[in-house]
Amino acid sequence: GQNIDQPTEMTATEGAIVQINCTYQTSGFNGLFWYQQHAGEAPTFLSYNVLDGLEEKGRFSSFLSRSKGYSYLLLKELQMKDSASYLCAVSLGGGSYIPTFGRGTSLIVHP
Amino acid sequence: DTEVTQTPKHLVMGMTNKKSLKCEQHMGHRAMYWYKQKAKKPPELMFVYSYEKLSINESVPSRFSPECPNSSLLNLHLHALQPEDSALYLCASSQVAGVTDTQYFGPGTRLTVL
Repeated sequence: GQNIDQPTEMTATEGAIVQINCTYQTSGFNGLFWYQQHAGEAPTFLSYNVLDGLEEKGRFSSFLSRSKGYSYLLLKELQMKDSASYLCAVSLGGGSYIPTFGRGTSLIVHP
Repeated sequence: DTEVTQTPKHLVMGMTNKKSLKCEQHMGHRAMYWYKQKAKKPPELMFVYSYEKLSINESVPSRFSPECPNSSLLNLHLHALQPEDSALYLCASSQVAGVTDTQYFGPGTRLTVL
């Protein structure tokens, strides 16, 4: 089976930096998505990493190491509105093109 | 317009009712998806439509019946549901069908089955 692992919950302080990790052991790998989902709302796309390395988009950055089966989402200058669930999703490749989601990490930002 | 819309936002139904969920996108996307999401769980794929044809059915019970009337619309018909079917039902679309592509999600329909 496919195994995608994220911490269940994290807390951080407004203005700080937080790193949300995602490790995966899957039968194949094409790339890894990160989505943000506020409670009761739709998941929204944050990033898609295919190659190793860090990709930066404003306050959010995403890192991938294919050899280690590891990714992280880095959130800088945290704001209260960043409180949400962060889902990593792996695209397995081959004939399986629909991403498989991890269970998500609930991030709570407090003042 | 990068929006996927879903109606209704909330739905309460009895086990003998028949209801439908609706999803719409006007981005010209050729793939559309239905997901089911329980609280504190990831979205679970139910159905995929590629070019208005059903391409993936993840062994979903027949009490859920998808329909894609045209390239912009996706429906999910519900009949004889069980209380355990209560969940958030998410619709998504992506530009290209049959390959990995960014999915755009609608806000979901919160379904409660009594």
